[in-house]
Amino acid sequence: AQSVTQLGSHVSVSEGALVLLRCNYSSSVPPYLFWYVQYPNQGLQLLLKYTSAATLVKGINGFEAEFKKSETSFHLTKPSAHMSDAAEYFCAVSGRDYKLSFGAGTTVTVRA
Amino acid sequence: SAVISQKPSRDICQRGTSLTIQCQVDSQVTMMFWYRQQPGQSLTLIATANQGSEATYESGFVIDKFPISRPNLTFSTLTVSNMSPEDSSIYLCSVGGGGQWGTEAFFGQGTRLTVV
Repeated sequence: AQSVTQLGSHVSVSEGALVLLRCNYSSSVPPYLFWYVQYPNQGLQLLLKYTSAATLVKGINGFEAEFKKSETSFHLTKPSAHMSDAAEYFCAVSGRDYKLSFGAGTTVTVRA
Repeated sequence: SAVISQKPSRDICQRGTSLTIQCQVDSQVTMMFWYRQQPGQSLTLIATANQGSEATYESGFVIDKFPISRPNLTFSTLTVSNMSPEDSSIYLCSVGGGGQWGTEAFFGQGTRLTVV
């Protein structure tokens, strides 16, 4: 079974500041890890994914995440926040059955 | 990638009635998934729908409440039966699972259901 824990339900950052969203996973098998973003009244959009290749994964919109097996973490970062980054972010994990288990989500607000 | 269309996009329904949500994909897929997102919460997998077999339900979800059809490789429906206000959620269709999709899952825009 797989599960993820997102630390912090709300994150507020200033425009131009670092965005850091934390995700820890639990998996009995080598995991597939994902970060999704959900804008208000919209579906889910994939930001990036880890599938056992490079541990540092670059995604869309300037986001990246690093897989750290020793820490069972997959934290999401963006060096400089933009107002358009305000959204809900979900970390998710799956095994070979491709069923996704989602974290509780982190709401990001960006201050001008 | 996949283009996934869900209908309806939103609905307001009376308690005790049923609503069928449609999911259409622009290419053939083996695995389709239905998720529920309750207000202010994360997504939870309801069931996996593979063409040619019965849907597989996750713990806490039963076929009588959420019957699913999967008549072909591009289409699926989820019915929310005998609705109560607790069923008010966003229901999302997803496709993915190996092959041409790799490990990635694609999501429809969701159906926002309000039960009154």
